[in-house]
Amino acid sequence: NAGVMQNPRHLVRRRGQEARLRCSPMKGHSHVYWYRQLPEEGLKFMVYLQKENIIDESGMPKERFSAEFPKEGPSILRIQQVVRGDSAAYFCASTRDRDQPQHFGDGTRLSIL
Amino acid sequence: GESVGLHLPTLSVQEGDNSIINCAYSNSASDYFIWYKQESGKGPQFIIDIRSNMDKRQGQRVTVLLNKTVKHLSLQIAATQPGDSAVYFCAEGIRRLTFGEGTQLTVNP
Repeated sequence: NAGVMQNPRHLVRRRGQEARLRCSPMKGHSHVYWYRQLPEEGLKFMVYLQKENIIDESGMPKERFSAEFPKEGPSILRIQQVVRGDSAAYFCASTRDRDQPQHFGDGTRLSIL
Repeated sequence: GESVGLHLPTLSVQEGDNSIINCAYSNSASDYFIWYKQESGKGPQFIIDIRSNMDKRQGQRVTVLLNKTVKHLSLQIAATQPGDSAVYFCAEGIRRLTFGEGTQLTVNP
């Protein structure tokens, strides 16, 4: 019974490149949540998606960041034209239904050179 | 805006002792709280949750207490073990979680 799977675990990009982070929710889960964590800080909500729909993107930066959760395949968090300040750990969580405890993956550590 | 904060950034206890980690929240409308444990290099791991219609909930070796009057919740870990060493976060909300900054728990053998 696999948990939330995120890949890659570590991603290095140069400034100006694109970063694509993938999240496969737990089996049977159709709700996905993305969070960002800076060193020695708590997680900050970014976006909540349900299959093919963005439900709440109030935590997403207005530019360069986008997220999707297609009918088939993993959820993708995409960061275009990355900058040094994008360096962080990005975590994905999933739930089966809307009002349940969120279960997290082990994150993608993004480093920008 | 709403915020969730921890009283202490670090807590050091002896193996076998009980640990108490505290958390304050500001949104009086908050009705669902979760404690997570995060080990180095890993994602947050669900420990226990509590709804605002309760003031206490127990799990295996853990107890969460909620005091809505002073907007405070705590996590008690009984007979703390070295494997309990981690950062503990309280979080508030259902779909959009608001996390506190975390308390680093160190268990000394």
